Amino acid sequence: QKEVEQNSGPLSVPEGAIASLNCTYSDRVSQSFFWYRQYSGKSPELIMSIYSNGDKEDGRFTAQLNKASQYVSLLIRDSQPSDSATYLCAVNDFGNEKLTFGTGTRLTIIP
Amino acid sequence: DTGVSQDPRHKITKRGQNVTFRCDPISEHNRLYWYRQTLGQGPEFLTYFQNEAQLEKSRLLSDRFSAERPKGSFSTLEIQRTEQGDSAMYLCASSFDRNYGYTFGSGTRLTVV
Repeated sequence: QKEVEQNSGPLSVPEGAIASLNCTYSDRVSQSFFWYRQYSGKSPELIMSIYSNGDKEDGRFTAQLNKASQYVSLLIRDSQPSDSATYLCAVNDFGNEKLTFGTGTRLTIIP
Repeated sequence: DTGVSQDPRHKITKRGQNVTFRCDPISEHNRLYWYRQTLGQGPEFLTYFQNEAQLEKSRLLSDRFSAERPKGSFSTLEIQRTEQGDSAMYLCASSFDRNYGYTFGSGTRLTVV
C-alpha cells in the first residue's frame, strides 16, 4: 500500500517569511509529484509539479525533490495571508493513472 | 472553456436513497477521474476513464457505486442505497496527460441523513 505522509500541522508562519512544507512517500517507483493548494470548502488547485531530482521554481513557489530520500518539499517565499490553506502532496507511479494524496498540511500565515 | 463542472454542488439525501452526480470535464481532456474526500483527509481515488473506457476502479469502491462516461465526454457517478458513511465531497478531475496533474471541479458535497 503506497503511503504519502505529511505533517498535518497547523503550521504558522509570519507574513513575509518562508513557509516550508514537507512530504515523504513510501514507493520507490513513484515518478511524478504534485503540490495542490486547497482553501477551506474548495477543491484542490494544482500549484506545482516536479519529476526530476532537484529544485523547480515558479514565482514564489519552489518544489524540491529527492528521490533517494523519498521526499518532496514545497517552499513558499514572501508568504502572504492569501497563502493560508491546506497543501496536499500527491504522487503518481509510472504506468499508473491515479494520484495518491497525503492528508495535507494546514498552513496559516500570520499578518 | 470554464474548467471542470460538477452538478449538483450539494446533495442531501436520506439513507437508502440513490443519488447521481454529473461531471463535465475540460473539453480537450480525454482522462476523467472521480475522487472522494472526507474532512481532514486527502482525496481518495475512486475510478478513472480514458475516453469512454473505465480503465481503473478502486478496490475500496463497493458494488453500490457505479460510474459511466458514455460518449467520452461527461461522466456520471451513481451511489445506490446510500449509507451515512458515503457522506463526503465527491470530486471530479480531468487531464490530457497524467504527468501534468489534474484539474479538479468544485465538487459535490453529499450528506446522507
